[in-house]
Amino acid sequence: EAGVAQSPRYKIIEKRQSVAFWCNPISGHATLYWYQQILGQGPKLLIQFQNNGVVDDSQLPKDRFSAERLKGVDSTLKIQPAKLEDSAVYLCASSLVELATEAFFGQGTRLTVV
Amino acid sequence: GDSVTQMEGPVTLSEEAFLTINCTYTATGYPSLFWYVQYPGEGLQLLLKATKADDKGSNKGFEATYRKETTSFHLEKGSVQVSDSAVYFCALISGTYKYIFGTGTRLKVLA
Repeated sequence: EAGVAQSPRYKIIEKRQSVAFWCNPISGHATLYWYQQILGQGPKLLIQFQNNGVVDDSQLPKDRFSAERLKGVDSTLKIQPAKLEDSAVYLCASSLVELATEAFFGQGTRLTVV
Repeated sequence: GDSVTQMEGPVTLSEEAFLTINCTYTATGYPSLFWYVQYPGEGLQLLLKATKADDKGSNKGFEATYRKETTSFHLEKGSVQVSDSAVYFCALISGTYKYIFGTGTRLKVLA
């Protein structure tokens, strides 16, 4: 079974530039999560999709971050404009159903904002 | 709100030593509890889980028991190896349907 695919693996941008990350979840997984993991901290949920609908985006900085999941499969997370404090690893995860189910994580995209 | 608290690291042990990483939680209702492991440069992998009180999750020699009375889910291993060096995250999923992670505990095992 193929795992969660993310790209790119690494990205370096200047502040105020924009960037986009892509995630392809495991086939058949209805739930998709985007997490932000700042160095030395645990993952923080940014947004959770159930199919192509948003379940929770309460911690997404909506003035600069946006995410979509067209057709309930692939997802993109965008930052525009980026700030220095956005430097982190962005993790995508997927699961079969919402509750009490293992989430499978991709390798993440390491973003450095300079 | 729901939260997870882990012991701070790093934890440095010699090979074959006994490992305990403490985890306590606050949640409404009856959450499911997880331990994830993150090896350098990789994403998170599920290590073990428990979905109800008194359940014991186990995998690769690691164990954790869901203790409702103490709201704890401590990770243990009887004899660690150098290959166990990684960051370990305690997590829960509750009625709000989202995973909440602790801050992680780095384990370093010396040969």
